[in-house]
Amino acid sequence: EVQLLQSGGGLIQPGGSLRLSCSASGFTFSNYAMTWVRQAPGKGLEWVSGISGGGGTTSSADSVKGRFTISRDNSKNTLYLQMNSLRAGDAAIYYCAKHAGYTFGKYYLDHWGQGTLVTVSS
Amino acid sequence: DIQMTQSPSSLSASVGDRVTITCRASQGISNYLAWYQQKPGRVPKLLIYAASTLQSGVPPRFSGSDSGTDFTLTITTLQPEDVATYYCQNYKSAPLTFGGGTKVEIK
Repeated sequence: EVQLLQSGGGLIQPGGSLRLSCSASGFTFSNYAMTWVRQAPGKGLEWVSGISGGGGTTSSADSVKGRFTISRDNSKNTLYLQMNSLRAGDAAIYYCAKHAGYTFGKYYLDHWGQGTLVTVSS
Repeated sequence: DIQMTQSPSSLSASVGDRVTITCRASQGISNYLAWYQQKPGRVPKLLIYAASTLQSGVPPRFSGSDSGTDFTLTITTLQPEDVATYYCQNYKSAPLTFGGGTKVEIK
């Protein structure tokens, strides 16, 4: 059974940094691309960043480019999102999600983590 | 970037009604279109991929279709457990944009 267990959310001051983690099990982690999606309170879904199965290809939304970094450690079956220079507008539930194939383009999201709340406030 | 325009933003229908949700891509995405269901307070769940392929375990009252850059999600007979917000997503290439969502309620 595919499981994605997230950790690392919380309350952070504007300008601060936070790292989210997503621990995967139940599948061969390195064979699948992974993505972060966020959802601001009462709003829709927003794709944040994606990474290929081997980690060699990444992409991020313009709204987070230069501030957020997606990475993965395939030896630990773990996905990360390093978030720097956080703003009030970054406050959201962050979901990790597994793609159905090696690349984040051309493959849909077939499993989602439970979500972790990030609150940005002084 | 490819924009995904979803309509309506909300709808109210009776149990047993046929419900249709539309998503329009700003440019061609072939059939790289997925539909997700998010029930209140829950994690999004994949319903349909490749525009019309039903994910395993999803009830057959859900179906998807496409015509060029227009995509449709249909619920043939609405059930109380279908109350949720539905999102389309382009997954052809990054950024993997979502539609704005359609909130479905029971009348």
